[in-house]
Amino acid sequence: QQQVKQSPQSLIVQKGGISIINCAYENTAFDYFPWYQQFPGKGPALLIAIRPDVSEKKEGRFTISFNKSAKQFSLHIMDSQPGDSATYFCAAKKDSSYKLIFGSGTRLLVRP
Amino acid sequence: KAGVTQTPRYLIKTRGQQVTLSCSPISGHRSVSWYQQTPGQGLQFLFEYFSETQRNKGNFPGRFSGRQFSNSRSEMNVSTLELGDSALYLCASSDALNTGELFFGEGSRLTVL
Repeated sequence: QQQVKQSPQSLIVQKGGISIINCAYENTAFDYFPWYQQFPGKGPALLIAIRPDVSEKKEGRFTISFNKSAKQFSLHIMDSQPGDSATYFCAAKKDSSYKLIFGSGTRLLVRP
Repeated sequence: KAGVTQTPRYLIKTRGQQVTLSCSPISGHRSVSWYQQTPGQGLQFLFEYFSETQRNKGNFPGRFSGRQFSNSRSEMNVSTLELGDSALYLCASSDALNTGELFFGEGSRLTVL
């Protein structure tokens, strides 16, 4: 019940295309769902986050779609750029805790 | 504002030794949590401290321990190192539960030979 399942493991997208990464969770007590971006040699950095009371959140080229009934959420990167090439992690936690449960990560490569 | 600072950035140890890693959170942040990152297991939660108290612990053996000081700085210790402890150890700090945002340091990369 603590797992967050992430797919795909790797993704190759052409510049200007849309990158889509999906995550699913089981624990209905989770109420905060962030996405982190990690470049080689760096720690993860928060990209965007959503709470279950909204179905979509957009920040620039990044959008989270959230489906509470299906217990799924996804990250869409519009107009993908080579600089977006990184590993992306979805995560989930309960509001009462700082303990993040991470997905397994998606390595994104955006080709010029 | 300075970010989360972790030291050392890289270290090499041999099996059976012990190691201490240090984390300085962002100024004003009272919560520090630690994560282990490996290619096989991904990012796994180790423990979380708030105001010098351990509030949560992940599923790691007792060889992994930590503490937080009154200035919010934190250390984690791994004793009797095993080859499988080779990993990137990440520290994250946060200022409030309701924002949920964790700020990660660049990590300490431990290699056990």
